[in-house]
Amino acid sequence: AQKITQTQPGMFVQEKEAVTLDCTYDTSDPSYGLFWYKQPSSGEMIFLIYQGSYDQQNATEGRYSLNFQKARKSANLVISASQLGDSAMYFCAMRESIRTGANSKLTFGKGITLSVRP
Amino acid sequence: GAGVSQSPSNKVTEKGKDVELRCDPISGHTALYWYRQSLGQGLEFLIYFQGNSAPDKSGLPSDRFSAERTGGSVSTLTIQRTQQEDSAVYLCASSSGSRGTDTQYFGPGTRLTVL
Repeated sequence: AQKITQTQPGMFVQEKEAVTLDCTYDTSDPSYGLFWYKQPSSGEMIFLIYQGSYDQQNATEGRYSLNFQKARKSANLVISASQLGDSAMYFCAMRESIRTGANSKLTFGKGITLSVRP
Repeated sequence: GAGVSQSPSNKVTEKGKDVELRCDPISGHTALYWYRQSLGQGLEFLIYFQGNSAPDKSGLPSDRFSAERTGGSVSTLTIQRTQQEDSAVYLCASSSGSRGTDTQYFGPGTRLTVL
């Protein structure tokens, strides 16, 4: 079974508007972390935001925020005030066993392409 | 400071040849990871090094793949007898430790094409 699911194949948003990129995950581990990365056409993976399973509040980093719904196992990325430079591929990833550090690898979703229109 | 660097940025090789891909992690980072990104498979974990501990090789797809990390810093991923299905972008990442909250920072990748 897929651990990270990103079903939106491609998203379009008008410049300056907000957009939500969906991510659902599957794990039985109570201790996990969720990451979002951006991959522009240059290919480099850029870290955006992190949410831990025990964090009481939703994570925010500048224009990025994470809508974390633990019971629904979803961790959607919200980008406010979209900019042309936000056009890229966005990946949701999960790391399990974060308290023990026993499993350090990231498991990635298939990614979502976001295009920002001027 | 300097980020993760990888070399070469592009590598074209013939089927059956061996290739070596290099990764220089961020200075001071003790954890180093290799991932592979291909069209059909997305991003896949390959191998993980943490300090002097034995590496986690659970993601290596076959015994043609191996990696080493010398002196706790630079890492080399070697693919022997390359096959066309090895064509992909190989990404290296490093983090300051192996705690679950430690963010992995990625390099620009090496695009491998096997003809």
